[in-house]
Amino acid sequence: QSVLTQPPSVSGAPGQRVTISCTGSSSNIGAGYDVHWYQQLPGTAPKLLIYGNSNRPSGVPDRFSGSKSGTSASLAITGLQAEDEADYYCQSYDSSLRRVFGGGTELTVL
Amino acid sequence: EVQLVESGGGLVQPGGSLRLSCAASGFTFSSYWMSWVRQAPGKGLEWVANIKQDGSEKYYVDSVKGRFTISRDNAKNSLYLQMNSLRAEDTAVYYCARDCPYDFCFDYWGQGTLVTVSS
Repeated sequence: QSVLTQPPSVSGAPGQRVTISCTGSSSNIGAGYDVHWYQQLPGTAPKLLIYGNSNRPSGVPDRFSGSKSGTSASLAITGLQAEDEADYYCQSYDSSLRRVFGGGTELTVL
Repeated sequence: EVQLVESGGGLVQPGGSLRLSCAASGFTFSSYWMSWVRQAPGKGLEWVANIKQDGSEKYYVDSVKGRFTISRDNAKNSLYLQMNSLRAEDTAVYYCARDCPYDFCFDYWGQGTLVTVSS
């Protein structure tokens, strides 16, 4: 059971907007720690997609955006493309001195 | 270009040991915290351990404390994970990852090495 809670799956048609939620607690997201997002394409290593709640590393399209409020965070993907089909993980820091992940969300592009 | 290349994975019996290595290049290795993150087959990501730039601080997830040891050799630009008393539940792909210098994230990942614990 993961410390951060994500929906197991989401789906959307090409061009649509989808969001993925990430719910934590007062010991991690609610304690003020930032949320980060990773994209894992099939058979590959994870890649940093969003850091510090809403910042994109160089090279990440602006179709990807992140937000945080209270004990939760969200990843939004607009203009959905077939190449976005992947697993997405949120991650934060916990007051128990460890980094924690969500269970992952599988995005299907219909 | 930042590169992290893991090695040392394989099949090991329960109770056995294995040492993973991660060769880093393309950045000043000694300036970064480094981590190991694992992913069991078909499962999500789990942070395992991390180590400070000079090796003076190390942190572990509870499930591996006392069994796994993270270390580094800055002269060789290498990160290690010594895994002892291995259990079936340690079966996973183990990724070497660079800690973000500005936050508690991971900005670069290796391709991973598979560890299978089975008799």
